[in-house]
Amino acid sequence: GAVVSQHPSRVICKSGTSVKIECRSLDFQATTMFWYRQFPKKSLMLMATSNEGSKATYEQGVEKDKFLINHASLTLSTLTVTSAHPEDSSFYICSASLLGEGGDTQYFGPGTRLTVL
Amino acid sequence: SQKIEQNSEALNIQEGKTATLTCNYTNYSPAYLQWYRQDPGRGPVFLLLIRENEKEKRKERLKVTFDTTLKQSLFHITASQPADSATYLCALRGSTLGRLYFGRGTQLTVWP
Repeated sequence: GAVVSQHPSRVICKSGTSVKIECRSLDFQATTMFWYRQFPKKSLMLMATSNEGSKATYEQGVEKDKFLINHASLTLSTLTVTSAHPEDSSFYICSASLLGEGGDTQYFGPGTRLTVL
Repeated sequence: SQKIEQNSEALNIQEGKTATLTCNYTNYSPAYLQWYRQDPGRGPVFLLLIRENEKEKRKERLKVTFDTTLKQSLFHITASQPADSATYLCALRGSTLGRLYFGRGTQLTVWP
């Protein structure tokens, strides 16, 4: 149980284009999903917290107009990188929160490797 | 702001030995502490969660301790195997629905 999928797993795009990444909780409903970014040999950096049916909460320094987040249902959140540039190249990972006896645990997707040429 | 340190970037041990990874934190009082495993190019995989009022938790060959006085968690893998080689991340959370704060991880290599 508690499987989270991401699509695509890898994307290469030209500078200036927009890229959409999907995050789905496959076997549970997640009221909260999170989007992270990770650089090589660095820790996960939280970009935004997304609640179903409401606007995402962005972390300081993350441009909300650059990284559009939509959480349309309890099992789907999308991250759109608009007008991507080479500096946006990174590993993007989503997680979905599942409440259990130990508090809520975040289950992560497999990640999306974005390369902007 | 909160600071989370994992003892070393890399840890190399021989198969069969116990691997011990350390997570220290400052400027924070987490309600929950979690450990994740991350393989190259993959998302983190949840391993264990321990609450602030719990001293120790076990799952198969894994054991986690949580000392809120020392502000430290120890993560043990007993009878380690080469398949345990990965990066292990420590993450803290202040409340039931709060955000996670991650350490940078310790890359564990278990050699035969």
